[in-house]
Amino acid sequence: QPVLTQPPSSSASPGESARLTCTLPSDINVRRYNIYWYQQRPGSPPRYLLYYYSDSDKGQGSGVPSRFSGSKDASANTGVLLISGLQSEDEADYYCMIWPSNASGVFGGGTKLTVL
Amino acid sequence: QVQLVESGGGVVQPGRSLRLSCGASGFTFSSYAIHWVRQAPGKGLEWVAVISSDGSKKFYADSVKGRFTISRDNSKNTLSLQMNSLRPEDTAVYYCARRDGYNLHLDYWGQGTLVTVSS
Repeated sequence: QPVLTQPPSSSASPGESARLTCTLPSDINVRRYNIYWYQQRPGSPPRYLLYYYSDSDKGQGSGVPSRFSGSKDASANTGVLLISGLQSEDEADYYCMIWPSNASGVFGGGTKLTVL
Repeated sequence: QVQLVESGGGVVQPGRSLRLSCGASGFTFSSYAIHWVRQAPGKGLEWVAVISSDGSKKFYADSVKGRFTISRDNSKNTLSLQMNSLRPEDTAVYYCARRDGYNLHLDYWGQGTLVTVSS
């Protein structure tokens, strides 16, 4: 199973933006995959946020605010979750995911976001 | 509304077996692939297994292949995970999750059931 690399932690102040990254291994081209993002608050199951393939092929989860958005940095083989206008309720763990084979999935290790 | 409810977790000794269930309601169960995802205490998410909507296709993570078996009964709207030869590293909260058939995201998750493998 491929390994998706996420920084273990990130922090930002309320009102600022947070940029969370998900780096794919070099043998998996980020351009070819939908990158899915999930949010998990303590004691709760994960919640689907959004997916990003391209600017013309992306989707937002039901009820997910537009201040959550996705993108890719192809030069770094990385998927990106941008959270603008941070709020205290955004403090959570964030996981990226891909479907390398359309059947089996793989998650990143997760990033714990702290809103200072 | 869509609901997924896991059950069957508990404490089990290494080498023993346990069977988890996931009951579904609020949607046409037989139309969706369902996945198991687990989370060890204080750790990240790990994809475990998937079964296709009709039960004909099953895929597993390497870490559980040959030990775990996923199955479903569409007449009863239930999903199962038979876990054999359990190891301490299988200790985790196990979630069942529905995969959206179009964008392929895991759109609904259960609350999870805790499996503890310990002597």
